Amino acid sequence: KAGVTQTPRYLIKTRGQQVTLSCSPISGHRSVSWYQQTPGQGLQFLFEYFSETQRNKGNFPGRFSGRQFSNSRSEMNVSTLELGDSALYLCASSESGTQFTGELFFGEGSRLTVL
Amino acid sequence: AQTVTQSQPEMSVQEAETVTLSCTYDTSESDYYLFWYKQPPSRQMILVIRQEAYKQQNATENRFSVNFQKAAKSFSLKISDSQLGDAAMYFCAYRSAWQGAQKLVFGQGTRLTINP
Repeated sequence: KAGVTQTPRYLIKTRGQQVTLSCSPISGHRSVSWYQQTPGQGLQFLFEYFSETQRNKGNFPGRFSGRQFSNSRSEMNVSTLELGDSALYLCASSESGTQFTGELFFGEGSRLTVL
Repeated sequence: AQTVTQSQPEMSVQEAETVTLSCTYDTSESDYYLFWYKQPPSRQMILVIRQEAYKQQNATENRFSVNFQKAAKSFSLKISDSQLGDAAMYFCAYRSAWQGAQKLVFGQGTRLTINP
């Protein structure tokens, strides 16, 4: 099986712009979650989706949003970018139902730099 | 809310030696998962080992084993016969056993260096 795929891998934006990141989970995985990784704050949970529904959201401002499509692919969007949004954004997927093991499978991440 | 603490920001070990990484957590739940993830410089997070809280037996995966002390809320990782490829950031993580909660709570990480 192919792993979790995130695009783009690297991107540079300027303050005030918006960005959309994409994540394709492992085939058959219906749960997708997003994390922000920075040197200062570490790994912080953004939100999670299951069957196109947001089930949980972390403590981030409303500028951070996401969605999931019927094929389980997910996108996250950050509007009005700030310098502090520079980070590695990680997507993870996991099984559900009888296949559930608790493990999250991560993509390689999207490195966002805000200038 | 659950918290995970890794008190060792950096560790180093000689190749072929054994090293133990520490992790403590706080939760009021009785059923949960604990993980050690490895993040090499290439960035992709890889699962090292997984422990289910209801299992008293410590998990092992080849050279990797854990010491799970549920009452003490402690979950340390032991790496035996350290190899150069073990060099990475190691994150301890907690997840509720409820399938509706995919959220992982991570510790701050421990950077492990392997000295040849």
